[in-house]
Amino acid sequence: AQSVTQLDSHVSVSEGTPVLLRCNYSSSYSPSLFWYVQHPNKGLQLLLKYTSAATLVKGINGFEAEFKKSETSFHLTKPSAHMSDAAEYFCVVSEWEAGTALIFGKGTTLSVSS
Amino acid sequence: DSGVTQTPKHLITATGQRVTLRCSPRSGDLSVYWYQQSLDQGLQFLIQYYNGEERAKGNILERFSAQQFPDLHSELNLSSLELGDSALYFCASSVGGPQQETQYFGPGTRLLVL
Repeated sequence: AQSVTQLDSHVSVSEGTPVLLRCNYSSSYSPSLFWYVQHPNKGLQLLLKYTSAATLVKGINGFEAEFKKSETSFHLTKPSAHMSDAAEYFCVVSEWEAGTALIFGKGTTLSVSS
Repeated sequence: DSGVTQTPKHLITATGQRVTLRCSPRSGDLSVYWYQQSLDQGLQFLIQYYNGEERAKGNILERFSAQQFPDLHSELNLSSLELGDSALYFCASSVGGPQQETQYFGPGTRLLVL
């Protein structure tokens, strides 16, 4: 069965410093993996997705993630945090071959201080 | 703005009542998905419709039902409401049926059951 674990419930960084949000997944198939962001009182927005093409995926707003099959990880990174990056981030796995739905992680709250 | 609209934005009702949440997908999208976001359960997939037909089912209670109409808008009906049904309900849409496709989320309907 598929599952996704976000290793940190809260990450705090200073503006201009790197961001690392960690995600491990479990999947019996070749998964599709996503990162979504949710700003306060807003809906979810797709940051990036991996669907078995390049293992390093670039997304919007300078975010990127690397799919590492050997480590079953899909960590989200950004070289330099901006105040507007403060939000909730969700790692999501989908096993479309198995016909299953998107499975969301519990979320990581990113705080950015000036 | 994702192009997905949801009404109403907020809903306050009493236990035992029934409510209907409405979603209009992005123009051209055939799939509609419903999700529930609560503090204790996180984000959970409820159900997917594709071009009017039920495509996938998640953790949807029997008290809940959904449908997608010929104009592709969708409604989520919640009946015999309980306090624990208080949550943020999101609708998302995508072009086709496969769940590895990018889903575009609406702003959500916040339901409070008193």
